[in-house]
Amino acid sequence: EIVLSQSPDTLSLSPGDSATLSCRASQSVDSNSLAWYQQKPGQAPRLLIYAVSTRATGIPDRFSGGGSGTDFTLTIRRLEPEDFAVYYCQCFGGSLYTFGPGAKLEIK
Amino acid sequence: VQIQESGPGLVKPSETLSLTCTVSGNSIQNYYWSWIRQPPGKGLEWIAYIYNTASTNYNPALKSRAAISIDTSKNQISMRLTSVTAADTALYYCARDRGLWQRGFSNWGQGVLVTVSS
Repeated sequence: EIVLSQSPDTLSLSPGDSATLSCRASQSVDSNSLAWYQQKPGQAPRLLIYAVSTRATGIPDRFSGGGSGTDFTLTIRRLEPEDFAVYYCQCFGGSLYTFGPGAKLEIK
Repeated sequence: VQIQESGPGLVKPSETLSLTCTVSGNSIQNYYWSWIRQPPGKGLEWIAYIYNTASTNYNPALKSRAAISIDTSKNQISMRLTSVTAADTALYYCARDRGLWQRGFSNWGQGVLVTVSS
């Protein structure tokens, strides 16, 4: 069973800044099986990135994903007020889905 | 695709929680469907998936208590969780994986809040 960790737990930035969130897996993750989600209060999660670096439908190009093996990142350039939310990484491996614990992006 | 979860808002400890996910706008066949939950103020926890009637799998931590099923005639996915405790209080989501190759939960319901309390 793959375990995902995320860092930092909380990131405090200002609109216009760039954010980099990290996701580390306990074992290698297939590149087609790593995704990122954004969740705002009172809403269901929204798929941002799948297959490590492919943006989901309607996701602006300010969002980008990268990494391989056990280390992955989500980068958000030119933060907009609506980007401040909780972000989760997620993988599928060994026929099991796993979510990371989440990382909160808050306004400084 | 529209996804709507339904179920009892309140379940007593030790009883069985039963939830239904009704999908409209697209057939549920040939997609992986999962139940995912989120305790109040906490993160996401995957519970189980089902693919057509052929394949299921469960979070090892919940495997002994969870059961997922599918009714293609009604376009519904259901889940039962037995012997519930207060730790099972959560918002329960039904979600569809976008594909068999490049995975990610692209479609989610709004969730149904289940409270376990006597």
